[in-house]
Amino acid sequence: DGGITQSPKYLFRKEGQNVTLSCEQNLNHDAMYWYRQDPGQGLRLIYYSQIVNDFQKGDIAEGYSVSREKKESFPLTVTSAQKNPTAFYLCASSMQTANYGYTFGSGTRLTVV
Amino acid sequence: KQEVTQIPAALSVPEGENLVLNCSFTDSAIYNLQWFRQDPGKGLTSLLLIQSSQREQTSGRLNASLDKSSGRSTLYIAASQPGDSATYLCAVAVIKAAGNKLTFGGGTRVLVKP
Repeated sequence: DGGITQSPKYLFRKEGQNVTLSCEQNLNHDAMYWYRQDPGQGLRLIYYSQIVNDFQKGDIAEGYSVSREKKESFPLTVTSAQKNPTAFYLCASSMQTANYGYTFGSGTRLTVV
Repeated sequence: KQEVTQIPAALSVPEGENLVLNCSFTDSAIYNLQWFRQDPGKGLTSLLLIQSSQREQTSGRLNASLDKSSGRSTLYIAASQPGDSATYLCAVAVIKAAGNKLTFGGGTRVLVKP
């Protein structure tokens, strides 16, 4: 079955650490996205990528970094510069024209300990 | 800047009643609109996708309408069941030079009481 796989499901970060969240898709989608979800604030766009080796900042990119070396993969690194990283992170993908809508992964819950 | 609003933020109904969820957006130049369902601690499941040229989409007990000129979409769920309890999110897609982007509403949390 085609879909998006996010791992790990739960992640704990110590102060000052960088952590990387994985997102892999086998839908042959061109575009991939990272969203952050906080209680009462809805989903906010962190980064997105329309093609391999290219990506753009979303609305809340500070403290995050991404790479897009393969079409199937779009990992997100939460750096120590992100002061409030505790949140639910969702990865999504779509065809470049979004004709068929967006498909989301099951999410990663990141907690600072 | 596109803004998406969902009213009400929460809704509680007895089982069997029809559900009506509202979504409004400020910029009518959308590419499509998508309704999602989210269960607690889970990802988003796509329910219906309406292209900008369409007026409605139906899937089983779900029906979504789109009125671009007034910036509104409505999701109807007929004969609600306790299993319909979840948060429902609407999102609009806009195509820009840098690529397509999805803007979400804040969601409507639905509780269907047995």
